Formats: sequence, C-alpha cells, structure tokens
Amino acid sequence: NAGVTQTPKFQVLKTGQSMTLQCAQDMNHNSMYWYRQDPGMGLRLIYYSASEGTTDKGEVPNGYNVSRLNKREFSLRLESAAPSQTSVYFCATRRDYEQYFGPGTRLTVT
Amino acid sequence: RKEVEQDPGPFNVPEGATVAFNCTYSNSASQSFFWYRQDCRKEPKLLMSVYSSGNEDGRFTAQLNRASQYISLLIRDSKLSDSATYLCVVTQVSGGYNKLIFGAGTRLAVHP
Repeated sequence: NAGVTQTPKFQVLKTGQSMTLQCAQDMNHNSMYWYRQDPGMGLRLIYYSASEGTTDKGEVPNGYNVSRLNKREFSLRLESAAPSQTSVYFCATRRDYEQYFGPGTRLTVT
Repeated sequence: RKEVEQDPGPFNVPEGATVAFNCTYSNSASQSFFWYRQDCRKEPKLLMSVYSSGNEDGRFTAQLNRASQYISLLIRDSKLSDSATYLCVVTQVSGGYNKLIFGAGTRLAVHP
C-alpha cells in the first residue's frame, strides 16, 4: 500500500501562475486534509474534507481552492500564485486522532 | 499567543544523554495530546499519544499536566537516530469538528 501520495514533489512558479497539487490515498479513510508548513510555524490547515462530497475551510484558506474528486483524491489549486505561498504542502488523511501525511510538495513562487 | 508553544531548540546532546522537551497549550478544553516526529525534509509521523496518567514507550516517556497546561517528552539513552524535530499536537473542538493543532516543533540533534 502506498499510503498517501502527492505530486509533484517540487515546483517553481512565477507570481500569477496557477497550478494544482494532487493527493491520493489508498487507506480508505474518509477525511483528507491540506496543510502548509513554514519555518518557525506549526503545520497550518488550509482546507479539509470530512468525507467525499464535502470540503471546509481551515485556518489559512485564502488564495486556495480544493476539490474532493472521490474518496481517494483531494486536490489543492492555487489560482494565482503569490510569493507568500512559498511553502511545503502536506496532504494527509486521518483515522481517529492519527494523521497520516504524504511526503510533501515543496513549492517556490518567485 | 500561539495555541501550542514549543522551544524551537536545537537541543544538542551526546549519545546516551537524557533529554526532555516541554510544550504548553492555551486552550484548557483541549482533550487529546500527541507527539509527532518529523525527520529533515520528511513528513511528520505519530510518535506516541499522551495519556493523563503518563505513558512510556521504550526509551520515550510522555506526561501531561492539565492544571499547568503542558505536555512533556523525555528521551532516555539518546541515539543518533533520534535526531529529528518533535512536534507537540493537541486537539481542539471548533465548529463541531475536532481539529489537530500542531506546535512548530523542537529540534533535537544527537551527536557521537
């Protein structure tokens, strides 16, 4: 089992460009999450999906959109990237209180 | 004030040393507590849950002090492989949803 997978692993964007970060899980978990991690700050929740067909804003949703395509896939879209969105992005699932993270996407916006 | 606060470190210790990290949380209604471990440039992974009575897993001991709102992690007989960042995590109910709040982490470097 692959667990939680993310693509791409690395990405460099210019300000104003758009892109979609992909996440897939084979753990059959209902809930999926997108976090960003910045130096000196804890993981911050961008959006989450408690189950297929639902999505909700987290702590820092501005500048992002999400799609829960099916139970397995949860994508994060940046419509117009800004330098402030330079970060490491983690997708995760959850069972009870345990969070299972993907390997992360390192995004740089210049 | 951050909801979960940790000393960022780094804690530089020799192999075999005992080291302890603390974490404080601001919401007295927090119900569940955890320590996650994050290796350099990797994803976080659950290390252990923290129970009210304190709990031990091999060389690792976690304790909770609800009155003072802090959690601790003690590592005995440190190994080189313990070098990582340790994230303190608490749960908090918000809008009917039980969310996880992550601290920024404490970095541990174990040297020979």
